[in-house]
Amino acid sequence: DVKVTQSSRYLVKRTGEKVFLECVQDMDHENMFWYRQDPGLGLRLIYFSYDVKMKEKGDIPEGYSVSREKKERFSLILESASTNQTSMYLCASSRLGPNTDTQYFGPGTRLTVL
Amino acid sequence: AQKITQTQPGMFVQEKEAVTLDCTYDTSDQSYGLFWYKQPSSGEMIFLIYQGSYDEQNATEGRYSLNFQKARKSANLVISASQLGDSAMYFCAMREGQRNYGQNFVFGPGTRLSVLP
Repeated sequence: DVKVTQSSRYLVKRTGEKVFLECVQDMDHENMFWYRQDPGLGLRLIYFSYDVKMKEKGDIPEGYSVSREKKERFSLILESASTNQTSMYLCASSRLGPNTDTQYFGPGTRLTVL
Repeated sequence: AQKITQTQPGMFVQEKEAVTLDCTYDTSDQSYGLFWYKQPSSGEMIFLIYQGSYDEQNATEGRYSLNFQKARKSANLVISASQLGDSAMYFCAMREGQRNYGQNFVFGPGTRLSVLP
């Protein structure tokens, strides 16, 4: 079974702190994604990566950066956390192949910024 | 412009009845995939069913079927014989893009389904 893990299920940080969210997948997937999910807005793509050291901005990259030094690991960084970044963060991965392959999701990290 | 539209923010259905969740999409690609995911209150996203743009038959997976109408650009999810455990958020998503560049998924806003006993 594909497994996508995220470093924390719940996280509480203070405004201005640097926050790291880690995501690891074990299926050798090329594509990895970071979304945030807010009520009524669905999932919005922050960044995605289709190869090591490659990254592409999604719909809402402002205030975030990412790092992909190894194929299995994709990190989301909040350089200076703000209260409007309180949200559920979901990581996902998929094969780089035909558009038939689904994404596999991690369990999510619920981040609260005080 | 929104690429995935789900016009039903919330739906109710009686247990054991069938329910249809609507999804329309917008793309200029010829090759794309359409997916439905379920998200229970626990938060994990569960893949339910997939339909390819070139598939001529509607996809089915157990109690889930996808009513694919390509000309109308709709991909509605049909759940037959609803169960209490079907109560969840349901997301329609589309995958498009070029294989050797990177492919993106676009999600709709979701429909919250509540199954009544």
